[in-house]
Amino acid sequence: GAGVSQSPSNKVTEKGKDVELRCDPISGHTALYWYRQRLGQGLEFLIYFQGNSAPDKSGLPSDRFSAERTGESVSTLTIQRTQQEDSAVYLCASSPGLAGARGANVLTFGAGSRLTVL
Amino acid sequence: GQNIDQPTEMTATEGAIVQINCTYQTSGFNGLFWYQQHAGEAPTFLSYNVLDGLEEKGRFSSFLSRSKGYSYLLLKELQMKDSASYLCAAFSGAGSYQLTFGKGTKLSVIP
Repeated sequence: GAGVSQSPSNKVTEKGKDVELRCDPISGHTALYWYRQRLGQGLEFLIYFQGNSAPDKSGLPSDRFSAERTGESVSTLTIQRTQQEDSAVYLCASSPGLAGARGANVLTFGAGSRLTVL
Repeated sequence: GQNIDQPTEMTATEGAIVQINCTYQTSGFNGLFWYQQHAGEAPTFLSYNVLDGLEEKGRFSSFLSRSKGYSYLLLKELQMKDSASYLCAAFSGAGSYQLTFGKGTKLSVIP
C-alpha cells in the first residue's frame, strides 16, 4: 500500500481481555517496528522485525505481549489479559531496510491504534 | 544501552529561529534522526544525519557531532504550524537496528 495501515484505530476493552492489533507495512519494506506511546510520553520501543531474521523482542514489557509477522508482510501485536497500564497508542512503522542505502532506515509510521483498557 | 536527552519544552516567536538540542549515548551508533509529531498524529520524518556536519532542508537544518554525541535541529522562519513535538532518535547499530527515541521536545510557537 501507499502507507502503513493500522487497525483498529480505536479499541476499548475490559481489563483481563485479550486484544490483537494489526499492521500492514508499506509494500516491499523489510523492516517493521512496534512502539507504544502513553499519553504525553515518548515512544517506547517494543519489537523489531527484519526480513527473516529473528525479531528483536527486547522492548516487550512482559510475557503478556507478543508479536508475529508473516514473511515481510502483515504483523500482529497481541496483548493478553490486558491491564489498565496497557492503555496507550500503539504505533507501527516500516522501513526499506536495504543495507547501505541512505534512505533504508527511514521509518514511516502508521496512524496508530489507540487502546483503552477500562 | 541507549540514553537520549532533549529539553522537555520550548517556546519561540513566529518568524524567529529556534534550536532544539539532543545529546545521546548509545552502545553503537549508526545515525541520528529527527521526527516531528503533531498532537494526536503519528511522527513524520524530518532528517537523518550519519556524518558530522550540517544538513539543510528548506527551513529545517540538522547538525551532528559524533565525537560529542550531540545533535541539534534548527528551525528558521517559524510558523504557527511548527508547533509540535520534535523527537530525536538514534540507532543502536551493532547488528540491531533498534531505533530509540528521546522523550521529545514540545515546541510552542506564539504570535
